[in-house]
Amino acid sequence: DADVTQTPRNRITKTGKRIMLECSQTKGHDRMYWYRQDPGLGLRLIYYSFDVKDINKGEISDGYSVSRQAQAKFSLSLESAIPNQTALYFCATSDLAQNYNEQFFGPGTRLTVL
Amino acid sequence: AQSVAQPEDQVNVAEGNPLTVKCTYSVSGNPYLFWYVQYPNRGLQFLLKYITGDNLVKGSYGFEAEFNKSQTSFHLKKPSALVSDSALYFCAVRDRGSTLGRLYFGRGTQLTVWP
Repeated sequence: DADVTQTPRNRITKTGKRIMLECSQTKGHDRMYWYRQDPGLGLRLIYYSFDVKDINKGEISDGYSVSRQAQAKFSLSLESAIPNQTALYFCATSDLAQNYNEQFFGPGTRLTVL
Repeated sequence: AQSVAQPEDQVNVAEGNPLTVKCTYSVSGNPYLFWYVQYPNRGLQFLLKYITGDNLVKGSYGFEAEFNKSQTSFHLKKPSALVSDSALYFCAVRDRGSTLGRLYFGRGTQLTVWP
């Protein structure tokens, strides 16, 4: 979905390096999410944010941190990358207005930690 | 606790045949249910959702899903499969009573449609 963009699309880094993944959206949504996808495990929630002042841990937040710089921007950081953080990372957004609204996903960032 | 099970990692069907991708769920309250599709090197795309009302929900690309409360299932179906339907499909659930609005995803089912 072109309304949700992620940078970079691919990244190779080394163990111990700090890395930031960025997400921007033009949908005007309040809620933003970071997921990681691993083969056979589906999507697991890392962090989510309901507005600029609200940050919540998901089920696998250890080793990650986030920053909601503005309504439209939500960044995910790996302070000291490790190989088992190699995965496909997705940002998603949704509208706070209705709890049944679907989430809209970015194209993903493929991260490899050597 | 909320959870979603997709019991089949892989579904293979011939083009033109009907397809079913299975999903069962567990929520503490009443659910909102969703199906997403992921094509290679792409993000997840929304297919359809169940909110309330008619148990048969119609979505994009000719897909439909049937909500069955007694069996806690929300199977995805299509009457006639296309090769272009080959993709990874995810079922997701949200407890409608939850203020957090989190989605819980299944592990995904790889659908392969052969010519």
